[in-house]
Amino acid sequence: GQQLNQSPQSMFIQEGEDVSMNCTSSSIFNTWLWYKQDPGEGPVLLIALYKAGELTSNGRLTAQFGITRKDSFLNISASIPSDVGIYFCAGQYREFLGNEKLTFGTGTRLTIIP
Amino acid sequence: DTGVSQDPRHKITKRGQNVTFRCDPISEHNRLYWYRQTLGQGPEFLTYFQNEAQLEKSRLLSDRFSAERPKGSFSTLEIQRTEQGDSAMYLCASSLPSGTGDEKLFFGSGTQLSVL
Repeated sequence: GQQLNQSPQSMFIQEGEDVSMNCTSSSIFNTWLWYKQDPGEGPVLLIALYKAGELTSNGRLTAQFGITRKDSFLNISASIPSDVGIYFCAGQYREFLGNEKLTFGTGTRLTIIP
Repeated sequence: DTGVSQDPRHKITKRGQNVTFRCDPISEHNRLYWYRQTLGQGPEFLTYFQNEAQLEKSRLLSDRFSAERPKGSFSTLEIQRTEQGDSAMYLCASSLPSGTGDEKLFFGSGTQLSVL
């Protein structure tokens, strides 16, 4: 199935550093979502974006909906150990009475170096 | 009701056996989705229900796979004659209906299937 291009594939950072990752698609979406997944668990929703150009924050996390509607960005400021995990972007094309299925990115694995 | 519940969390089976997984969505969510996730990949859509109606199936869902949601509440996903390539995490998600302005998908913890 289709997967969105997410980069970088992995990141190794020190605690306290800021993190940036992005996601691109060949298709337009009208919703972008960012999830975090820990090993052996399901994805947990972090941020949802509904409008092109929208910038939304959730604590130390900030995400943006690209103006082309084909990309999105996630930033994490001042990383802490519990930020470790895999981050997935997901695009959604919502339409009234339509299928709200998500198309996921390939994931960015975040590791914090002691 | 605190979230989407999936059972079992882990399943180990021999090739050729049938397996069935269960998903209980968030109670007020009438939409239910099944996804499959293999190692190192993002989840991939399999199928979804609105109430008891199965409205779309992915090409990933072969004839050996069947999903039901008989009363519009919990759902089951059955895999018949399992193959080693079926080994994956099977994720269930639920959401409110479209048009509510809040159609975010919430996922369960998944069922990890290993086919030996």
